[in-house]
Amino acid sequence: NAGVTQTPKFQVLKTGQSMTLQCAQDMNHNSMYWYRQDPGMGLRLIYYSASEGTTDKGEVPNGYNVSRLNKREFSLRLESAAPSQTSVYFCASSGNWGGDQPQHFGDGTRLSIL
Amino acid sequence: DAKTTQPPSMDCAEGRAANLPCNHSTISGNEYVYWYRQIHSQGPQYIIHGLKNNETNEMASLIITEDRKSSTLILPHATLRDTAVYYCIVRVALLKYNTDKLIFGTGTRLQVFP
Repeated sequence: NAGVTQTPKFQVLKTGQSMTLQCAQDMNHNSMYWYRQDPGMGLRLIYYSASEGTTDKGEVPNGYNVSRLNKREFSLRLESAAPSQTSVYFCASSGNWGGDQPQHFGDGTRLSIL
Repeated sequence: DAKTTQPPSMDCAEGRAANLPCNHSTISGNEYVYWYRQIHSQGPQYIIHGLKNNETNEMASLIITEDRKSSTLILPHATLRDTAVYYCIVRVALLKYNTDKLIFGTGTRLQVFP
């Protein structure tokens, strides 16, 4: 039972570098989400994808782009990393909305930007 | 902004029941209350959810007041492994895309002691 898999688990970048965080789920879920968590804070939604081919902004989308590659995969890209983007990034997925199904989370990517 | 209010921290003796309160006075009629927990900055783990009725599963019980403005998560026999940050979350519908999002607050840090 892999569930939601995120890669890499850790990454250190220099300011201005670019990077793509990968997320894949094997539960045949329609919706996928990207969150970030800063120290001592709850998670904040960056982007979400309700279904394959659709994406939309969450609460804190600035500095990020996403791609819903197929039903399984949802990637998050930092085009020009900034120290303020140092955070832990979580991917989540859920089944059809309206069926009160919970979101399932990956174990996170810990990203440090120097 | 988070739609829930929780105490920042609580203690509980091992083997005793842990009762974690949550206020969600602005909740709408069709919004679910979800509880997750996070251990050592791992990905949030789903615990339980409810709409109007009290709910119980193998992990916990959820008591929702009749006016739905508050709820209580009950861990019936807390163990040391239940030490974590517990998030009470209102699941907000995103009708445009037939999906929804979770709005996290800062949670309650539960410390279970021997």
